[in-house]
Amino acid sequence: KNQVEQSPQSLIILEGKNCTLQCNYTVSPFSNLRWYKQDTGRGPVSLTIMTFSENTKSNGRYTATLDADTKQSSLHITASQLSDSASYICVVRETGANNLFFGTGTRLTVIP
Amino acid sequence: DAGITQSPRHKVTETGTPVTLRCHQTENHRYMYWYRQDPGHGLRLIHYSYGVKDTDKGEVSDGYSVSRSKTEDFLLTLESATSSQTSVYFCAISESLENQPQHFGDGTRLSIL
Repeated sequence: KNQVEQSPQSLIILEGKNCTLQCNYTVSPFSNLRWYKQDTGRGPVSLTIMTFSENTKSNGRYTATLDADTKQSSLHITASQLSDSASYICVVRETGANNLFFGTGTRLTVIP
Repeated sequence: DAGITQSPRHKVTETGTPVTLRCHQTENHRYMYWYRQDPGHGLRLIHYSYGVKDTDKGEVSDGYSVSRSKTEDFLLTLESATSSQTSVYFCAISESLENQPQHFGDGTRLSIL
């Protein structure tokens, strides 16, 4: 069964600290993996998208990694800011079919 | 921000009434999607469109219908709303299936009493 699991479910960190969010998947065959940021009351916004051949991609203070062999991805946030408080969603696309698998997200809270 | 507008943003209605949600895009993207988001669940696809008058069902399509008469507009209709359809509904667009979903609207919060 194709699944996407994210951990932790929630996380609280101090402003200025780094953190790493995890996404493990069983989707096969794999096409791509995307990380979204969703602010409260807003729609998800794409941060990065990675294909099978990419193992690192950055977007400002956000760096995503992908290990297609172990089917794991991580999103690393550097020098966190209050505005990073949001839910982060991992989405994996299956090759050859119009199937996307959404994780349930990690709720990040950055406190001063 | 991508040009996606959802209306209304909030709606409260009663069980058994029809409800139509609208998504309007200014990006001229071919693909449009409707998702629902509920606590404890990832976003779930209701229906999607791959062109004017071309639509297909998603994972949770029962109780919903859609229409796309113009490239820029995608309507989601609940013919007879039920309390289980209380949710936040998101519209999304993409240029291609491989790149879906690229951009989301800000959602419609629908409460059915």
